[in-house]
Amino acid sequence: DTAVSQTPKYLVTQMGNDKSIKCEQNLGHDTMYWYKQDSKKFLKIMFSYNNKELIINETVPNRFSPKSPDKAHLNLHINSLELGDSAVYFCASSQDRGGETQYFGPGTRLLVL
Amino acid sequence: DQQVKQNSPSLSVQEGRISILNCDYTNSMFDYFLWYKKYPAEGPTFLISISSIKDKNEDGRFTVFLNKSAKHLSLHIVPSQPGDSAVYFCAALLGDTGNQFYFGTGTSLTVIP
Repeated sequence: DTAVSQTPKYLVTQMGNDKSIKCEQNLGHDTMYWYKQDSKKFLKIMFSYNNKELIINETVPNRFSPKSPDKAHLNLHINSLELGDSAVYFCASSQDRGGETQYFGPGTRLLVL
Repeated sequence: DQQVKQNSPSLSVQEGRISILNCDYTNSMFDYFLWYKKYPAEGPTFLISISSIKDKNEDGRFTVFLNKSAKHLSLHIVPSQPGDSAVYFCAALLGDTGNQFYFGTGTSLTVIP
């Protein structure tokens, strides 16, 4: 049973569209994260939620909006997709906001055409 | 099920000594392995990688060893410095285009001055 799952695994879409990536963890963790991986394999933290509350909100365009309906889910909604949004997005979770032990999802590869 | 495992959540090492971080994997089809370093409240940064066709890759104080028969990966840091104190994640890639990433859960390294 997958601990942290993301859907979809691949997403190809046109510029200007709105899309969502879903993340679910079945570990009972309190904290969830979204990362964006750039071409150099650097993982940049975008958002972090602890018990449905936003605790980290790095400088990302406001076209990106996280939504946490409950502490097991953290979805990423992206409005007006741009070419530069093409990347792999990773979701992760940790027991608490210390985040030293994190479980990562498999990633969602987004390609904006 | 975790396909990439870091069984030691934490490690303490004296400054100047060697730090050895370990990683085990289950899928023999992985063809690329990476180590990331993460400071608190930041995303993991890429540190060093190794292709499955090699058994060693060295970059300054950091050396990664790959033992394919044992499905084991290790990161050696020599000499360890206090600034190396961080969480280290190993990751494995599946597929020619790196479509599937699998991360370990991290090992927190503390280098004691």
